[in-house]
Amino acid sequence: DAGITQSPRHKVTETGTPVTLRCHQTENHRYMYWYRQDPGHGLRLIHYSYGVKDTDKGEVSDGYSVSRSKTEDFLLTLESATSSQTSVYFCAISGGGVTGELFFGEGSRLTVL
Amino acid sequence: QKEVEQDPGPLSVPEGAIVSLNCTYSNSAFQYFMWYRQYSRKGPELLMYTYSSGNKEDGRFTAQVDKSSKYISLFIRDSQPSDSATYLCAILTGGGNKLTFGTGTQLKVEL
Repeated sequence: DAGITQSPRHKVTETGTPVTLRCHQTENHRYMYWYRQDPGHGLRLIHYSYGVKDTDKGEVSDGYSVSRSKTEDFLLTLESATSSQTSVYFCAISGGGVTGELFFGEGSRLTVL
Repeated sequence: QKEVEQDPGPLSVPEGAIVSLNCTYSNSAFQYFMWYRQYSRKGPELLMYTYSSGNKEDGRFTAQVDKSSKYISLFIRDSQPSDSATYLCAILTGGGNKLTFGTGTQLKVEL
């Protein structure tokens, strides 16, 4: 299994509170991604990173920010959580190339009350 | 129009059946197509990928791309209960391995 750890795995929070999800990899892969998965929508890209301090927006980036200060860590922050951000969040990593192989973490289940 | 469309199912089949899972896509310029499998409460894992048109076979699994109709398929032969999972098609839509996923088809193979 690819060395990807997401934390926390489960979190319940209240509307308006800040939340940070952490993704840690031990593979030294260049690319890291945050996806959210919701019924009827599948996996949607929130933000991705192509190197330390290099990030870009994905399809559903509003309300989210990211940071990558080290190769191994990619943080996803919800500045002020809303109920619409209740979801399962997946971190993924990739070494690049064109095969489309992303390695996914186990997911972080976030509930915003 | 969504870039990738996939029937969400659920799909229930008896053990040993041939399963056909399908997606359509919108942009004829797309070249790399993948199928991911996701077990319940787990992250997706890459099952197969194909480049451009044609078939690719790996054991009981065959991935097929028809670029003329913008249609991608995954066939599972001799399906097993262990194949019960959600199958997501994905297309490489940007640099840096940016993928766009279908919504996933939930498959249950029953004894």
